[in-house]
Amino acid sequence: DIVMTQAPLSVSVTPGESASISCRSSKSLLHSNGITYVYWYLQKPGKSPQLLIYRMSNLASGVPDRFSGSGSETDFTLKISRVEAEDVGIYYCGQLLENPYTFGAGTKLELK
Amino acid sequence: QVQLKESGPGLVQPSQTLSLTCTVSGFSLTSYNVHWVRQPPGKGLEWMGVIWSGGNTDYNSALKPRLSISRDTSKSQVFLTMNSLQTEDTGIYYCNRISLWGQGVMVTVSS
Repeated sequence: DIVMTQAPLSVSVTPGESASISCRSSKSLLHSNGITYVYWYLQKPGKSPQLLIYRMSNLASGVPDRFSGSGSETDFTLKISRVEAEDVGIYYCGQLLENPYTFGAGTKLELK
Repeated sequence: QVQLKESGPGLVQPSQTLSLTCTVSGFSLTSYNVHWVRQPPGKGLEWMGVIWSGGNTDYNSALKPRLSISRDTSKSQVFLTMNSLQTEDTGIYYCNRISLWGQGVMVTVSS
């Protein structure tokens, strides 16, 4: 199975500041079609996960452009610019390249 | 409105079978893949399996012996069946189409 390793496990951010979350995969997520199959989700407290970024760098519909995704074949970053109160929750990276699809352990973002 | 909604029993006895339904609206099951993902209390996400738009299925090998996913396209419903439940199967079960998730249904395995 592909292992997804996130860091840090928790981050405390002052509103208005930026935050970055890292995710590393144990295998390249770059498909031969040129698409990198890493996804980012936010799970707000008591809610189901919501898609933020798909295929490494594409912003999901309705997601503020304060969120951005980048990376290489095995190292990925989610950046949140100008953190707001509504960004609090647990962020998960996931790989949808091969069965079984797997997720990182999650990064908890809270406000200072 | 595009949405998915899970339903099923909240309590299942150990060794029994879990049956969940995901009812979708606003899109066709013949055009979108539907996945099942579960989350133990206070823990992370585990992908369980998928029913592809064409009707084929794939399962997490860790669950494959116990798991079955099917659908009724005329009713816009996807079904999850998992047998031999144990306490470690307790958690929230979500259906999703990657870009959109249902609200989830809490399943507790206990006698």
